[in-house]
Amino acid sequence: AQKVTQAQTEISVVEKEDVTLDCVYETRDTTYYLFWYKQPPSGELVFLIRRNSFDEQNEISGRYSWNFQKSTSSFNFTITASQVVDSAVYFCALSEAEGTYKYIFGTGTRLKVLA
Amino acid sequence: DAGITQSPRHKVTETGTPVTLRCHQTENHRYMYWYRQDPGHGLRLIHYSYGVKDTDKGEVSDGYSVSRSKTEDFLLTLESATSSQTSVYFCAISDVLEVNEQFFGPGTRLTVL
Repeated sequence: AQKVTQAQTEISVVEKEDVTLDCVYETRDTTYYLFWYKQPPSGELVFLIRRNSFDEQNEISGRYSWNFQKSTSSFNFTITASQVVDSAVYFCALSEAEGTYKYIFGTGTRLKVLA
Repeated sequence: DAGITQSPRHKVTETGTPVTLRCHQTENHRYMYWYRQDPGHGLRLIHYSYGVKDTDKGEVSDGYSVSRSKTEDFLLTLESATSSQTSVYFCAISDVLEVNEQFFGPGTRLTVL
């Protein structure tokens, strides 16, 4: 069975600190996709990144970076120099690569960035 | 932004009443999904559709039914609402060409008293 674990329920940091959000997944599939979504206080779900299981290259987008390690089944998300606007709930998700493309979500990590 | 709307955005109802939530898309995407979001559970899949009149159950489908008579509309029905169905409901769409990425609607907050 597929499973996504986000062990950090809530993290608080002071502005300009770096913060890493952990995501550990379980799947028997050899081909799959991993995602991160952001849910700001306004409630909508904002897509951040998609990574397929064959691409283990780390990715950087501005202050955001993602570390995908198949050996440890982890897909961690780091925010560098955090800002108050980064305060949100962040969800990691796993999807099968074929069929119905259903997502399995983690329970989310609430990030509070304090000014 | 993907063209996904949900209606109503907010609803308060009483236990035992039927409720229908509507998801409408303008993207002509094949796949549509209904999730519920609850504290401590993240988002959980209720039902999904892989084409007109083609639907299947997700992990928390008890008490819910769906219908999809047109590509653009996916309806979620609570036949007899219960307080445990108080939640925020999200609709999502995806298309194979988008490499599995799901686009989410704005959500519907449902309160069952």
